[in-house]
Amino acid sequence: KAGVTQTPRYLIKTRGQQVTLSCSPISGHRSVSWYQQTPGQGLQFLFEYFSETQRNKGNFPGRFSGRQFSNSRSEMNVSTLELGDSALYLCASKDGSVTGELFFGEGSRLTVL
Amino acid sequence: GEDVEQSLFLSVREGDSSVINCTYTDSSSTYLYWYKQEPGAGLQLLTYIFSNMDMKQDQRLTVLLNKKDKHLSLRIADTQTGDSAIYFCAENHQAGTALIFGKGTTLSVSS
Repeated sequence: KAGVTQTPRYLIKTRGQQVTLSCSPISGHRSVSWYQQTPGQGLQFLFEYFSETQRNKGNFPGRFSGRQFSNSRSEMNVSTLELGDSALYLCASKDGSVTGELFFGEGSRLTVL
Repeated sequence: GEDVEQSLFLSVREGDSSVINCTYTDSSSTYLYWYKQEPGAGLQLLTYIFSNMDMKQDQRLTVLLNKKDKHLSLRIADTQTGDSAIYFCAENHQAGTALIFGKGTTLSVSS
């Protein structure tokens, strides 16, 4: 099985712009979660989608949004980019097993100038 | 509240054992996990332990769980230079909720 695929891997934006990141989960996984990783804050949970519905949400401003499509692929969007949004954005998928482990993609590294 | 804490750095010599420690605050956590992150990569699941277990062994990895003290550890036997990475512990206190991660322990292995 292919793993979790994230695109693009690297991108550079300027303040005020917006960005859309894409995530394709492992085949058969219906849950997709997004995390922001920064050196200072570590891994912070953004949101989780399951069957096209947002199931959980972290403590991020409304500039951060996401969605999930019927094929379980997910996108996240950040509008009005700030310098502090520079981070590695990680997507993870999971199946319905009780163990609940996440399987991560390699991330999209966003640099905001 | 939900908080997972780890020491930030650990340095060992090749061939020694490494022990990475983690404390968590949510006693209702059902599963606890260890992930590894190599430079420029995402997180790779190493192992997990169910909260009613005290120990789990998987080849060179041993996980110990002290539920009373809310303390989790990962022991890597015969540590190799390829084990150099950041190690994260995470808890899942309730099915259907997000995993909460510690800030990670950077393991440096010298030859």
